[in-house]
Amino acid sequence: DSGVTQTPKHLITATGQRVTLRCSPRSGDLSVYWYQQSLDQGLQFLIQYYNGEERAKGNILERFSAQQFPDLHSELNLSSLELGDSALYFCASSVGDGGSYEQYFGPGTRLTVT
Amino acid sequence: AQKITQTQPGMFVQEKEAVTLDCTYDTSDQSYGLFWYKQPSSGEMIFLIYQGSYDEQNATEGRYSLNFQKARKSANLVISASQLGDSAMYFCAMRANNNAGNMLTFGGGTRLMVKP
Repeated sequence: DSGVTQTPKHLITATGQRVTLRCSPRSGDLSVYWYQQSLDQGLQFLIQYYNGEERAKGNILERFSAQQFPDLHSELNLSSLELGDSALYFCASSVGDGGSYEQYFGPGTRLTVT
Repeated sequence: AQKITQTQPGMFVQEKEAVTLDCTYDTSDQSYGLFWYKQPSSGEMIFLIYQGSYDEQNATEGRYSLNFQKARKSANLVISASQLGDSAMYFCAMRANNNAGNMLTFGGGTRLMVKP
């Protein structure tokens, strides 16, 4: 158990819908990262937050948005869902923002868009 | 831009033998970190080992060791005394230690299958 929690574990929804994925980092970790793992794109970085502020952006679609709240939990919002958004979405956390901090991954949320 | 290449999509190893999973990387950064993660069939990503670009010694963690060859830009994972529970996907990843964020760039992964 990495100490990172993600809910829900599984999510099945229809095209065009909107969903919210939730992540709670390990106690004391200030950085939260979101990654997407799909069969065709592999593991891709989406976005990072550090202590409530957006820190870095990767290949995140405009239909996707995220935020980190004062209690440091984070939410990833996916809207106007398409079949291609079906993937395993990971949240990871680390203590800081730089150096040799390991990133610990949550169990993931498996999103299926039908 | 950073790139990680894992050239072995799948590998078999006999139980109790050692196995090496290859990873090469490309970066123009001087300071960076290299990571290996294990992903069993259950899906979670398990951190295995870390090597910093300025570390002179190869990293070791139990049965895992990282064969770091900086000039060749390779960071191969060596698993000694393979166990059936080592069957999983293995991902090599890199992080640049700069001010552009702390994200990981992953390779395509290697599926390791341990034979009894």
